[in-house]
Parts: sequence; C-alpha cells; structure tokens
Amino acid sequence: DIQMTQSPSSLSASVGDRVTITCQASQDIYNYLNWYQQKPGEAPKLLIYDASNLESGVPSRFSGSGSGTDFTFTISSLQPEDVAAYYCQQYDNLPITFGQGTRLEIK
Amino acid sequence: QVQLVESGGGVVQPGRSLRLSCAASGFTFSSYSTFAMHWVRQAPGKGLEGVAVISYDGTSQYYADSVKGRFTISRDNSKNTLYLQMNSLRAEDTAVYYCARVALRLRFVDYFDYWGQGTLVTVSS
Repeated sequence: DIQMTQSPSSLSASVGDRVTITCQASQDIYNYLNWYQQKPGEAPKLLIYDASNLESGVPSRFSGSGSGTDFTFTISSLQPEDVAAYYCQQYDNLPITFGQGTRLEIK
Repeated sequence: QVQLVESGGGVVQPGRSLRLSCAASGFTFSSYSTFAMHWVRQAPGKGLEGVAVISYDGTSQYYADSVKGRFTISRDNSKNTLYLQMNSLRAEDTAVYYCARVALRLRFVDYFDYWGQGTLVTVSS
C-alpha cells in the first residue's frame, strides 16, 4: 500500500494567515493526489483534485501543488469558516489511501 | 442535484452481519451506471480509510486487506443503489461508513465529487 504522510497533524493559526500542509507519498504517485476538507459531523468535501486543480465553487484562497512524492496544500488567507480537518488522498494505486489528517483551528 | 443517502447502520454484536445501502438520486439510471462507487470509513476520532470499490457496471470489485473475505460490495443499477454486506464484524470495524462517487465516468478510481452523510456502525457486545 502507498503510505501518505501528512504534516502537521494539527495547526493553529490566526485569521488572515497563510497556512501550509504537506503530504508525502511513499512512492511516486505522479499527480494523482486530492485534498478534502471535513468539518465536524460532516462528510469530506473535495477542494483540490489532481494535485493542483481547484474544484468548482471552492474559494480561490485554497490551492495545491506538487507532483511525484511531495505535495503542498495552501490556504492563502485563513478564514474562520476554514476550521476543519484536511486530508490528502492518493489514487495512483489501490487501495486508495489517505493522509492521517491535519486539524486546523483558529488561534 | 446529486444526493447519496446511506442507511443500515446500527449496533451489532461481534461476529454478526449488517448490510449497508447507499441510495443515489439526481442521477438518471443510465448515468448512475457509468460511475464507480466506493465505501470509505472513519473510525471515531480517526482518519479516513478506503474499504471497497465497485466498477460502474458491477463486474469488478476491490477490497482493503482489513475487510477482504468478510465484506462484499455490490450494486443494483436498476435501483441506483450501492450495498455493503458486512459479515463477521469485529470491534475494529466500528466507524462511520460513507459511500462516495468517483467523479469521472467509467473510471475505477479518481477523486470523489459526491459523498453521502455517513451511517454509523458500532460493533459491540
């Protein structure tokens, strides 16, 4: 199985801050990497697909980059409604695997 | 608007069985039958784990090692419904189970554009 190592596991930042989360794959996954946001009690929501493509309707403050084994997810200016857990997910190989998640809170 | 609604969760004793359903709406029958579907679970306070996937036409399935031989994924495209038959349940199967649609037609895996709200399965004596 491809292991996805996501960091940090938790993060506290102020409104307006730039926030960065990283995800490292245990082998080359090309750009087969997606990012999801999950708010408490809700299902995950797609934000970024194929490493850097913004899903329709998602605010432009969210972005993704990377390829191969190293990926980055960025919120350019943190908003209160961004409090959530964030997960990366690879689909290069089955089983699909997720990072362990990053819990983001407002300082 | 596409909607996925899971049902069938509950409290069950170890070793027993449970069948989950995921009813899709907002698809036409012909459209539903072109999308692969996944079950993804989330143990309380934990991260996400892919459990099983079924191809758009139901001919191919894949299971995580943790459930292989115990769980069976199936679909009835005439009813726009996905199923997960769970046998020999264990305490470690306790989780919220989500169904999720693969975004691109005919692909087995890709990103998930729609998720259900989840159904909680608790395995406990």
